[in-house]
Amino acid sequence: GENVEQHPSTLSVQEGDSAVIKCTYSDSASNYFPWYKQELGKGPQLIIDIRSNVGEKKDQRIAVTLNKTAKHFSLHITETQPEDSAVYFCAASILVAGNKLTFGGGTRVLVKP
Amino acid sequence: GAVVSQHPSWVICKSGTSVKIECRSLDFQATTMFWYRQFPKQSLMLMATSNEGSKATYEQGVEKDKFLINHASLTLSTLTVTSAHPEDSSFYICSARAAGGIFSGANVLTFGAGSRLTVL
Repeated sequence: GENVEQHPSTLSVQEGDSAVIKCTYSDSASNYFPWYKQELGKGPQLIIDIRSNVGEKKDQRIAVTLNKTAKHFSLHITETQPEDSAVYFCAASILVAGNKLTFGGGTRVLVKP
Repeated sequence: GAVVSQHPSWVICKSGTSVKIECRSLDFQATTMFWYRQFPKQSLMLMATSNEGSKATYEQGVEKDKFLINHASLTLSTLTVTSAHPEDSSFYICSARAAGGIFSGANVLTFGAGSRLTVL
């Protein structure tokens, strides 16, 4: 089955700096890669996703890149703000009936004011 | 946007009792719902896939008689933790996938806010 690894497990950045989280996946058939933000005591919220037919996607301060050959994808947060502090999870799945997600281990991001 | 409601958000029960957690899709029909378990500072572990009108599919190592799942309608799935014990204490999260084409936006999963179970 699919295996997703995520690094780093914790990330501390100064407000205004950029944060980068990297994930690798094992199943070359995976074609959908969402990123979720989870705040303490809450469920994950989708912040951005990318499909395998796209190499990069951007939404304001958040961008995701995908390298299908190397089987890795990354989340980039620019101009970080204290409210970006949360746990971020990457995930991978195959877009067929079921859409079962395999999650990475999570990255705890702390943005210091 | 799509909203998934989970209830209760937290529950405390005595060991040996059963607890039911509801997962509702509020503004869309969900043919498939997923149940996850999350331990503190860990990732989400998929427990089972719930399909409307059929039996749930459980992941390896998850006891189906311990974690009963019912998906009786297109907007409601329930997880019942039977004869709960302290080791069942965890954060349980559901997600729902709207009916739609494979590459439609409706295929995106929406997560509930989670239910924290504490078994004394």
